[in-house]
Amino acid sequence: DSGVTQTPKHLITATGQRVTLRCSPRSGDLSVYWYQQSLDQGLQFLIHYYNGEERAKGNILERFSAQQFPDLHSELNLSSLELGDSALYFCASSPGQGLNNEQFFGPGTRLTVL
Amino acid sequence: AQSVAQPEDQVNVAEGNPLTVKCTYSVSGNPYLFWYVQYPNRGLQFLLKYITGDNLVKGSYGFEAEFNKSQTSFHLKKPSALVSDSALYFCAVRDPLNAGNNRKLIWGLGTSLAVNP
Repeated sequence: DSGVTQTPKHLITATGQRVTLRCSPRSGDLSVYWYQQSLDQGLQFLIHYYNGEERAKGNILERFSAQQFPDLHSELNLSSLELGDSALYFCASSPGQGLNNEQFFGPGTRLTVL
Repeated sequence: AQSVAQPEDQVNVAEGNPLTVKCTYSVSGNPYLFWYVQYPNRGLQFLLKYITGDNLVKGSYGFEAEFNKSQTSFHLKKPSALVSDSALYFCAVRDPLNAGNNRKLIWGLGTSLAVNP
């Protein structure tokens, strides 16, 4: 157990809908990262927050947004969902801004868009 | 631009034999290098990292990796493979001298390791 929790574990929804994925980092970790993993595109970095502020962006679509709250939990919002958004979404956390720190991954949320 | 490559999509090895999972990188400065493992239906787990110092890094589950600056490689190794080592392995690199968005960790596409009994 990494100490990172993600809810829900599974999510099934329809195209055009909006969903929110939630992540609680390890106790004391200030950085949260979001990743998307699909069979055809592998592991894709989406976004990094540190202590409530956005620090880096990866291949995150405009339909997706994220935030980190004062209690350091984070939410990833996915809107106008398409079939291709079906994937595993991982959250990870690390102490500090994580330059030389390893990341601790949650168990993931499996999103299925029908 | 910084990048990382895992040239093999899949590696097959017999149990008890040594294993190597390859990783090469390209950064402008001295890299920070990481290996992670993903077991089926699980999140990624950190195995080991190279930040500075001894080129041979030892990590979890008996794995080790050697940083080779001249060959820009960071191959993951284990002297004797176990069936339970079968998983997806990811290499990642960061150039600490980059600023802002370019500081993000760059991930390889992953190598699937199959250890046969």
